[in-house]
Formats: sequence, C-alpha cells, structure tokens
Amino acid sequence: EVQLVESGGGLVQPGGSLRLSCATSGFTFSDPYMDWVRQAPGKGLEWVGRIKNKAGSYTANYAASVKGRFTISRDDSKNSLYLQMNSLKNEDTAVYYCARDAHTAMDYWGQGTLVTVSS
Amino acid sequence: QSALTQPPSASGSPGQSVTISCTGTSSDVGGYNYVSWYQQYPGKAPKLIIFEVSKRPSGVPDRFSGSKSGNTASLIVSGLQAEDEAEYYCSSYAGSNNFVFGTGTKVTVL
Repeated sequence: EVQLVESGGGLVQPGGSLRLSCATSGFTFSDPYMDWVRQAPGKGLEWVGRIKNKAGSYTANYAASVKGRFTISRDDSKNSLYLQMNSLKNEDTAVYYCARDAHTAMDYWGQGTLVTVSS
Repeated sequence: QSALTQPPSASGSPGQSVTISCTGTSSDVGGYNYVSWYQQYPGKAPKLIIFEVSKRPSGVPDRFSGSKSGNTASLIVSGLQAEDEAEYYCSSYAGSNNFVFGTGTKVTVL
C-alpha cells in the first residue's frame, strides 16, 4: 500500500523558516518525481513545486509564488521528500501535501501538515 | 501562472448527471493532453479520479469521465450518488515542469 506521511508543520513567525518532511512507503521512492501542493484555509489547491528523480538530475521547479524562498529536496536512501521554507509570509499559511508525481498527474497524496505563519 | 477557471458550484439530484468545466489557455489546458481531476472531501487529501483528460485510475467508478475541447476541459459525473458530494479540482501541466490547478467546484447532491 502506497503511503505518504507529512510532518514538520507548526506555527512560525513571519520571516522565519520551517522544514517539512514526507516519509513514504509502499513503492520504490527513487523512481517517481515528487511534488508539494498547498491549500490555504478555505481556499483551493496550489501547486508548490516538483523534484525529478536521479535520471532527471534531481531538478526542481517551483511556482512563482515560492521561487527563491522554498527548496525541495529528496533523500532516496530514506524514502523521504523535504520542503525547506524560508522567509515565510502570512500568505504561506496552508496545509501542505506531498504527492507522488506520475509525470502528468499526482496519483497519491499524503494527509497534509498545517503550516501557520503568524506573529 | 493563473489558476484555471471552474464554476464555484454545481448540483444535481441522485441519478442525474453534472458537468464541471475547467477553462485555461493554450499554454496549459489547450496545449497539452495532461488534464487531471481530483476529488476532495472536507478535511481530507485530494484523490485523483481522472488523468490525461479522460483516463481513470484503477478503482474509480466509470460514472466519472473527462473530455477536452480547445482550452476547456470537462468532468462529467453520471448517475450522481450522495457520496459524490465533494469539492472537485482540475489541474493541467503548464509547460516547463509546472502545473496549475483550477479554482475548485463544490458539487452538491440535492
């Protein structure tokens, strides 16, 4: 069974940093691309970014709203995905989901972790 | 990248059909056959129900179908059931390893 479990969310002040993790199981983690998607309270889904696999040189791409502030990384030896968030803003408050990327869609999702940016 | 446009709400009685539109541009929906649809219940993670415009993942009922014409994609839910009441989001590949989601549609079963 494919499982993705996010962790690391919490309350952080504006300008602060936070690192989210996504632990996976049930599939060969090193094979697929992986994504982060967020959802602000009461709002729609917003794609945050994607990281390719080793064959894709672990290249990461980001939404314009987070580019330069967020960094996606992965550790294939630990079956884990990460999202380093710096210079956080109030508008980054959201539930953050990790998702397995089937190249044309996100086929499995975690349950999400809430990040609240507030003073 | 602007969000794809969906109607805020749609509704139908049990057994009826409901169609949800998803309008983008030639840079996303119109440019690729990589439109997907997700179903989300309150407080839950999204679930993939349609990928590559009209393909269904294993386990998704054939009551769900998808299509695309030009810059607009559509999700059709036939034989509406109470369990279909949820939020639905479209998504499209937008080139350069970017994706964009739709604004979301709340489906109500009357």
